[in-house]
Amino acid sequence: NAGVTQTPKFRVLKTGQSMTLLCAQDMNHEYMYWYRQDPGMGLRLIHYSVGEGTTAKGEVPDGYNVSRLKKQNFLLGLESAAPSQTSVYFCASSYRATGFDIQYFGAGTRLSVL
Amino acid sequence: KNQVEQSPQSLIILEGKNCTLQCNYTVSPFSNLRWYKQDTGRGPVSLTIMTFSENTKSNGRYTATLDADTKQSSLHITASQLSDSASYICVVRVGGTSYGKLTFGQGTILTVHP
Repeated sequence: NAGVTQTPKFRVLKTGQSMTLLCAQDMNHEYMYWYRQDPGMGLRLIHYSVGEGTTAKGEVPDGYNVSRLKKQNFLLGLESAAPSQTSVYFCASSYRATGFDIQYFGAGTRLSVL
Repeated sequence: KNQVEQSPQSLIILEGKNCTLQCNYTVSPFSNLRWYKQDTGRGPVSLTIMTFSENTKSNGRYTATLDADTKQSSLHITASQLSDSASYICVVRVGGTSYGKLTFGQGTILTVHP
């Protein structure tokens, strides 16, 4: 009953460091998403994937890269972290991206960049 | 620009009382509107999904209404419980495309006191 699992749960980086956030889903969903959530703002889409081997840019893609080598995994990379990337990152997955399809979210990764 | 605005930003009520949260949206073309509940430290979880043809939809003590003419929605919580303390997020899906972008509101933080 895992659903969507994100690792790590917390991370502190120094400016300029790199890291990768891992998202894994066990629901055989085609679509996967990375969002960031900042205080007083709605969730914003960073990148998404419509299937294994595909990725696309969302609203705020700058400074991030993603990969979907396996259907169940979606990785979010920060090559050179900046303080503006301090945020809570959520991964989500869904069967489709239209109509009544529901996105299932992970528990989030809280990232601080000093 | 597609936008979803929620009010109030935060709300404190006593256990057992009712409350209503508001959502105004300017999203076109409109596909559907959903309400999510986000507990502290967790990812959002879907409560209801409504299309323009649905005026009311219930999920236990949660009742959502939608007025497609005025582009307003509300979430009514009946007989509140301590476990209702959470952020409630209004989300609107854009229609008419193969990828239905979700536009998130900033959320209303509800605190239920004993």
